[in-house]
Amino acid sequence: AQTVTQSQPEMSVQEAETVTLSCTYDTSESDYYLFWYKQPPSRQMILVIRQEAYKQQNATENRFSVNFQKAAKSFSLKISDSQLGDAAMYFCAYRRAGANSKLTFGKGITLSVRP
Amino acid sequence: NAGVTQTPKFQVLKTGQSMTLQCAQDMNHEYMSWYRQDPGMGLRLIHYSVGAGITDQGEVPNGYNVSRSTTEDFPLRLLSAAPSQTSVYFCASVGRGAGNTIYFGEGSWLTVV
Repeated sequence: AQTVTQSQPEMSVQEAETVTLSCTYDTSESDYYLFWYKQPPSRQMILVIRQEAYKQQNATENRFSVNFQKAAKSFSLKISDSQLGDAAMYFCAYRRAGANSKLTFGKGITLSVRP
Repeated sequence: NAGVTQTPKFQVLKTGQSMTLQCAQDMNHEYMSWYRQDPGMGLRLIHYSVGAGITDQGEVPNGYNVSRSTTEDFPLRLLSAAPSQTSVYFCASVGRGAGNTIYFGEGSWLTVV
């Protein structure tokens, strides 16, 4: 079974600084997708970034980028120029390629941003 | 507006009562699922469906029933609520293809007393 591990329950970053959130996963599949979701206090689930396993290039969305290490099964999220609005819970998630496959989440990490 | 609609948003139940959480999507998505979110546990899959008439169990199915009579609707039933089912529940749907965007409902806060 696939598992997603987020070992840090909480992290803190100074506004305008850079922070990296860690995620590791375990799978025997070679083709899959990885996601980072943001959940602010409103509890809404917001997709931050998505990475296809077959792509070697790391995904980037504005201030958000990932460091995808397929061999190490590591998928970390880097937030640059942190803003107060980045404070939220962040979930790493995995989904096997193929139609209608399940989405598996890590336990999440709470990020706080200090002004 | 297209999206996933969950109702009710808040509910308080007494132990032993039954209720149904409703989930509807208007995007013709085949895959729908229910998750519960508890502190320190992330989102755990309760049940999922890959199309009308097809459902399967997820990681924590005990105490919950589902059915999928139409593509649009995927209700979650609690037959006899227990305090351990106090949680926030999310419905999610996605079209065919693992890389497609997953749409979440806004969540349902359930308290069982």
